[in-house]
Amino acid sequence: KNEVEQSPQNLTAQEGEFITINCSYSVGISALHWLQQHPGGGIVSLFMLSSGKKKHGRLIATINIQEKHSSLHITASHPRDSAVYICAVRSVAGGATNKLIFGTGTLLAVQP
Amino acid sequence: AAGVIQSPRHLIKEKRETATLKCYPIPRHDTVYWYQQGPGQDPQFLISFYEKMQSDKGSIPDRFSAQQFSDYHSELNMSSLELGDSALYFCASSLRVSGPYTFGSGTRLTVV
Repeated sequence: KNEVEQSPQNLTAQEGEFITINCSYSVGISALHWLQQHPGGGIVSLFMLSSGKKKHGRLIATINIQEKHSSLHITASHPRDSAVYICAVRSVAGGATNKLIFGTGTLLAVQP
Repeated sequence: AAGVIQSPRHLIKEKRETATLKCYPIPRHDTVYWYQQGPGQDPQFLISFYEKMQSDKGSIPDRFSAQQFSDYHSELNMSSLELGDSALYFCASSLRVSGPYTFGSGTRLTVV
């Protein structure tokens, strides 16, 4: 069982739809990242969360530390949002607090 | 704003050759991380440095070595390249171990 799991793995939406991507983790963490990666491209950090909720433009990220769960929401989705969205946690296991453990990613396709 | 710079962007090498990848962190960032992402795979942590000292080590093969220099840039040296080393190698930097990550665009290495 992966330490970081995302759902769904694949998501197709129509332009304008509200999108939710979920992330559950099983390890103790100091922070959780939501990342965006376009096909063949580099990674862009969207959010780093340790509690509560953050908003940036049409993107909202929430985290529930007790339930070990985080969600990424995209409002008014647009075809340019099409990308892989990755949840990654900064584990505190074994005292190592700097490396990230990545989820398997959610491939989002927003159709016009 | 300055970002994390990686060079080269693309690299093609033959089996058993050597390769050197470079990562220039955001100014004043003192921590650098290296990750390897094989085709269709999750990024895997290789190694990290804080203040020019190795701070954590992941699944880095013995054929690879890395260091962080006095100007905080880092180099990943890869020897006796194998076909399976073909991947996207990206680095990230942060201010101290606990700071938010900023990712580079990656170096795509192809071993033929």
